Amino acid sequence: GIQVEQSPPDLILQEGANSTLRCNFSDSVNNLQWFHQNPWGQLINLFYIPSGTKQNGRLSATTVATERYSLLYISSSQTTDSGVYFCAALGDSNYQLIWGAGTKLIIKP
Amino acid sequence: NAGVTQTPKFRVLKTGQSMTLLCAQDMNHEYMYWYRQDPGMGLRLIHYSVGEGTTAKGEVPDGYNVSRLKKQNFLLGLESAAPSQTSVYFCASSPLTGRSNQPQHFGDGTRLSIL
Repeated sequence: GIQVEQSPPDLILQEGANSTLRCNFSDSVNNLQWFHQNPWGQLINLFYIPSGTKQNGRLSATTVATERYSLLYISSSQTTDSGVYFCAALGDSNYQLIWGAGTKLIIKP
Repeated sequence: NAGVTQTPKFRVLKTGQSMTLLCAQDMNHEYMYWYRQDPGMGLRLIHYSVGEGTTAKGEVPDGYNVSRLKKQNFLLGLESAAPSQTSVYFCASSPLTGRSNQPQHFGDGTRLSIL
């Protein structure tokens, strides 16, 4: 089945910095989503982006399906951006989202 | 619009006890899913349903049963809880999967501890 790998595993930044999180997947995907899991454990849908580029405020994401990777950009980081960022991909099974291990982001004031 | 609602939010059980987690969605979605998340990991699929009256096994189904008697509800049951089932459980729903996929929408999770 499809494999999903995220990098880096941990990232510590000062408030105001920019960051890029990467998600590699091993096969073609029908669905790719980025989530933010906040310190309270809630999963926040950030992007549904099987291909192309999307932007939402300070966050944007790009998926290059032919090269099997997706990038999440966070600009002008705020302390509320802290948490774990997951990407999850849906492969040929069409039912099971396969999750990466996440990138733990800490934004220091 | 509540989206996906999970009850309860927290529960502590003793080994061997049984319980049912309830997931309800008000988006008229066809597909529903139960995942578990263990510390430091992403989510893993337990069971899923592609419509009312149908269920199927996911990646980690052992020790769990599910039922989808109504389109809007998906129940996850633990018949005899074990400490290895201590985890955070997430329910999700989506309108359709296949080549024209739609995103999955998640509830806030249920924290379950088995003593």
